Amino acid sequence: GAGVSQSPSNKVTEKGKDVELRCDPISGHTALYWYRQSLGQGLEFLIYFQGNSAPDKSGLPSDRFSAERTGGSVSTLTIQRTQQEDSAVYLCASSYDRGPGNTIYFGEGSWLTVV
Amino acid sequence: ELKVEQNPLFLSMQEGKNYTIYCNYSTTSDRLYWYRQDPGKSLESLFVLLSNGAVKQEGRLMASLDTKARLSTLHITAAVHDLSATYFCAVDNREYGNKLVFGAGTILRVKS
Repeated sequence: GAGVSQSPSNKVTEKGKDVELRCDPISGHTALYWYRQSLGQGLEFLIYFQGNSAPDKSGLPSDRFSAERTGGSVSTLTIQRTQQEDSAVYLCASSYDRGPGNTIYFGEGSWLTVV
Repeated sequence: ELKVEQNPLFLSMQEGKNYTIYCNYSTTSDRLYWYRQDPGKSLESLFVLLSNGAVKQEGRLMASLDTKARLSTLHITAAVHDLSATYFCAVDNREYGNKLVFGAGTILRVKS
């Protein structure tokens, strides 16, 4: 596609429910990132994929958070037993690879509200 | 730990004026990015700076990088209302993992 595509764009869920957020990176991009942006805050790194493997999961805030990537393309971020503090915009980004000068492109984000 | 600091965090300026946003980072960087974010929108890539002395310009925005000082600047020339947005700088360094570390962002409001 023309850009990084994320779905759903908005999700309201009840506390304790599980949610899945999907990211379709730009075609041919091997590097994929998940970030979280809370209201009025900066961006917090969650996880990085190179192909299907995740060499850096250091930003996942708890074991309720997990992510996978299949076929070197689509990625899913799963949050189990959601809590109110999980409310944020979840941004996915991709780049061709980690070579110098490669721009990292962001999607529109998935706005998650836990009530 | 790789840390990125921006200042100012909020900038209100009149149309036609010039100003500079500063981005300091704590250790060597592989790449430095500037992004723009409009309210309720995602991040738009403005510049990627790689080497010491790099300067890039697009319209009224010019970004520069001084790797020795660990400083990047985003200079705004003759500001117009359409430049109102939040501007983020971000840095990555392979030694600290494969992630961009973002500054807190600078909210820019250009008054007509």
